[in-house]
Amino acid sequence: KAGVTQTPRYLIKTRGQQVTLSCSPISGHRSVSWYQQTPGQGLQFLFEYFSETQRNKGNFPGRFSGRQFSNSRSEMNVSTLELGDSALYLCASRETVIGTDTQYFGPGTRLTVL
Amino acid sequence: ILNVEQSPQSLHVQEGDSTNFTCSFPSSNFYALHWYRWETAKSPEALFVMTLNGDEKKKGRISATLNTKEGYSYLYIKGSQPEDSATYLCAFNGQNFVFGPGTRLSVLP
Repeated sequence: KAGVTQTPRYLIKTRGQQVTLSCSPISGHRSVSWYQQTPGQGLQFLFEYFSETQRNKGNFPGRFSGRQFSNSRSEMNVSTLELGDSALYLCASRETVIGTDTQYFGPGTRLTVL
Repeated sequence: ILNVEQSPQSLHVQEGDSTNFTCSFPSSNFYALHWYRWETAKSPEALFVMTLNGDEKKKGRISATLNTKEGYSYLYIKGSQPEDSATYLCAFNGQNFVFGPGTRLSVLP
């Protein structure tokens, strides 16, 4: 099976712009989660989608939003970018939302905000 | 806000040394504890999923134990090799995944 893919891999934007990141999960996986990693910080949970519904949301401002399509692909959008949004954004997929299900991570999108 | 802690923050060992690190997590509303290895320029890779108090898992030279009553898990690496150099993350799965900050391991040849 193909792994989790994320596009684009690298992105440079300026403050005030918006950005959309894409994640294609492993075939058959219906859950997609998004994480942010900044220097010195661990993986911070953004949100999780399951069967096109947002299941959980982390402590991020409303500028961060996401959605999931019927084929389980997910997009994450950040509006009005700030310098502090520069980070590695990882998505992870799993088959269901059972606690023992393993999450499989994509390679990440490195976002730089100038 | 759930707090998952890991110690030490970083570790340098010589090739052949055995080492261990700790993950501390809330003991309430526990579903599972996951361990990941994250090598530089790669994606985090799942090592273990642990659910039951007293669980022990092993994969090659790496093993892990779980104590859900006191809220901790240990990861052990026996006979460390340079290829074990990575950041080791634990993730507490309650309502959603909460990751610890990781332990960065460097194994010197």
